[in-house]
Amino acid sequence: SQQGEEDPQALSIQEGENATMNCSYKTSINNLQWYRQNSGRGLVHLILIRSNEREKHSGRLRVTLDTSKKSSSLLITASRAADTASYFCATSRGSYIPTFGRGTSLIVHP
Amino acid sequence: EPEVTQTPSHQVTQMGQEVILRCVPISNHLYFYWYRQILGQKVEFLVSFYNNEISEKSEIFDDQFSVERPDGSNFTLKIRSTKLEDSAMYFCASSRGQGENSPLHFGNGTRLTVT
Repeated sequence: SQQGEEDPQALSIQEGENATMNCSYKTSINNLQWYRQNSGRGLVHLILIRSNEREKHSGRLRVTLDTSKKSSSLLITASRAADTASYFCATSRGSYIPTFGRGTSLIVHP
Repeated sequence: EPEVTQTPSHQVTQMGQEVILRCVPISNHLYFYWYRQILGQKVEFLVSFYNNEISEKSEIFDDQFSVERPDGSNFTLKIRSTKLEDSAMYFCASSRGQGENSPLHFGNGTRLTVT
């Protein structure tokens, strides 16, 4: 299956600390995306990284992709209580339809 | 900012009944999707829809399920003869196109509870 699997399943940190979440997948991909889901809400697209890219930044977000290891990481720097949410990686192949994992539940304590 | 809207937010039904979950995608989007998320599990792809027909579907999307775009704005998911294991959050999503420049926009979901 191409779907990504996030690690860890849950992460609890203090405000101001960095949060790192990892994603591993099994097959070749066109791109990998990260989405965020607040409790009881839909998923919101955060960032996309193409298979030929190694690193991408967006504000406090930094995403890396290692296609040789079939893995990606999402780093949230200087976390805030409002970053509390579940974070999902999603991989896409030919049809570009994203396939999601189980997510990492992040809690940022004020 | 335009949103995908889903109704109802919560649907309770008895086993064996039929339910219709409704979605209004973003108006200039051309691709529509249904995903589901069983509590604590991964978000699973069900079906994608383009140009008034199913473009791709997963193994989950069997004869029990159907989708329809009955008019210019609504996109529905019908589940016939519901089972207990159909209890989940059902998310509708839409995108302008299909590709790297067209991320999916999700609604807030319908929580389906089958009793």
